[in-house]
Amino acid sequence: EAGVTQFPSHSVIEKGQTVTLRCDPISGHDNLYWYRRVMGKEIKFLLHFVKESKQDESGMPNNRFLAERTGGTYSTLKVQPAELEDSGVYFCASSQVIGRNNEQFFGPGTRLTVL
Amino acid sequence: TQLLEQSPQFLSIQEGENLTVYCNSSSVFSSLQWYRQEPGEGPVLLVTVVTGGEVKKLKRLTFQFGDARKDSSLHITAAQPGDTGLYLCAGRNNTNAGKSTFGDGTTLTVKP
Repeated sequence: EAGVTQFPSHSVIEKGQTVTLRCDPISGHDNLYWYRRVMGKEIKFLLHFVKESKQDESGMPNNRFLAERTGGTYSTLKVQPAELEDSGVYFCASSQVIGRNNEQFFGPGTRLTVL
Repeated sequence: TQLLEQSPQFLSIQEGENLTVYCNSSSVFSSLQWYRQEPGEGPVLLVTVVTGGEVKKLKRLTFQFGDARKDSSLHITAAQPGDTGLYLCAGRNNTNAGKSTFGDGTTLTVKP
């Protein structure tokens, strides 16, 4: 069974440009999460989808970030316009159910560099 | 805001030595996870602990959840070079069971 996949693996863009990250969760997983790790900091939660609905978007840093999950399958995270502080590694995770004991499976991440 | 602090941040030891990594918080968590992350990959779950005082063993790794469910430890016995990696703890609470709060990680290097 394929794991969580993310595309691209790396992205280098100029400040002010737009970047779209994609995440394909494990098939059948209704729950999809976005996290990011900026340089020197811990991995931080961004948001959580249940199917196509945003369950919790409390971690989204500002309105330059837009996450979508149309159809409840793959998800995209768009940053527009990108700023220097957006550089970091963006992880996607998915799970079949939610709960304190459920396993979240992480993708390999997208490393975003904003110059 | 719930925070998890891990210590030490970096640890370099010789093969065969024992080590303990700590994960501490002032907040109570309903569950705590330990992950291991390799370069270029995402975190991979090692274990979940949910009961205060719980101890789980995974081969040479022993995980403990504090009685008050605010802290946890990971003990590795007779470390091997294959144990090298980034170890992360993460906590969840019942009010928002989908969201994980991560510690800042412990980078372990085991020298042959």
